[in-house]
Amino acid sequence: DQQVKQNSPSLSVQEGRISILNCDYTNSMFDYFLWYKKYPAEGPTFLISISSIKDKNEDGRFTVFLNKSAKHLSLHIVPSQPGDSAVYFCAARNRFGNEKLTFGTGTRLTIIP
Amino acid sequence: EPEVTQTPSHQVTQMGQEVILRCVPISNHLYFYWYRQILGQKVEFLVSFYNNEISEKSEIFDDQFSVERPDGSNFTLKIRSTKLEDSAMYFCASRDVGGLWNEQFFGPGTRLTVL
Repeated sequence: DQQVKQNSPSLSVQEGRISILNCDYTNSMFDYFLWYKKYPAEGPTFLISISSIKDKNEDGRFTVFLNKSAKHLSLHIVPSQPGDSAVYFCAARNRFGNEKLTFGTGTRLTIIP
Repeated sequence: EPEVTQTPSHQVTQMGQEVILRCVPISNHLYFYWYRQILGQKVEFLVSFYNNEISEKSEIFDDQFSVERPDGSNFTLKIRSTKLEDSAMYFCASRDVGGLWNEQFFGPGTRLTVL
């Protein structure tokens, strides 16, 4: 059951450049999307979220874009910093009041100094 | 900054034994969750808990699993008779009661190893 897919298991980006992480979903009932960052031996840390009524949300260096017609969202990090090296998870929530988050498999981002 | 805490950080147990994983959610949060991540796999939802009862559970959360909020601060996950395939990282999360869009905050996890 891969309702949320992150097709790139890893990504390497030069420090200072833009990192773009992608996420696709199949369930049209999802209405809220979140990005989490995870370091080894730690829990997921919330980064940024977006409601399905928006197509962009920005918070500092992080911007999330949502393309509902393509069922695609992306996380842009600019400029990328060494501390951004982590695994990034996309997660989604169903509109019908369900509490659970459905996670993607994650993308390991490595920032090269 | 308030955070979700979990104990122990690592639990090793024999197959068939009972384990209790403990979590202290953020103090003003009222929604609580357990997720797990088997090594190399995605984070999977187990159960959500609100107002002293389960609000949703996944197919993974069978009769071997139970949750409890024994007092005003702790939230526990019990596995009655552990199996080898229960080995995973278990994450507790909590959410504020506020608007629809509040994110879930995760604890650092408990690594459960079943031998």
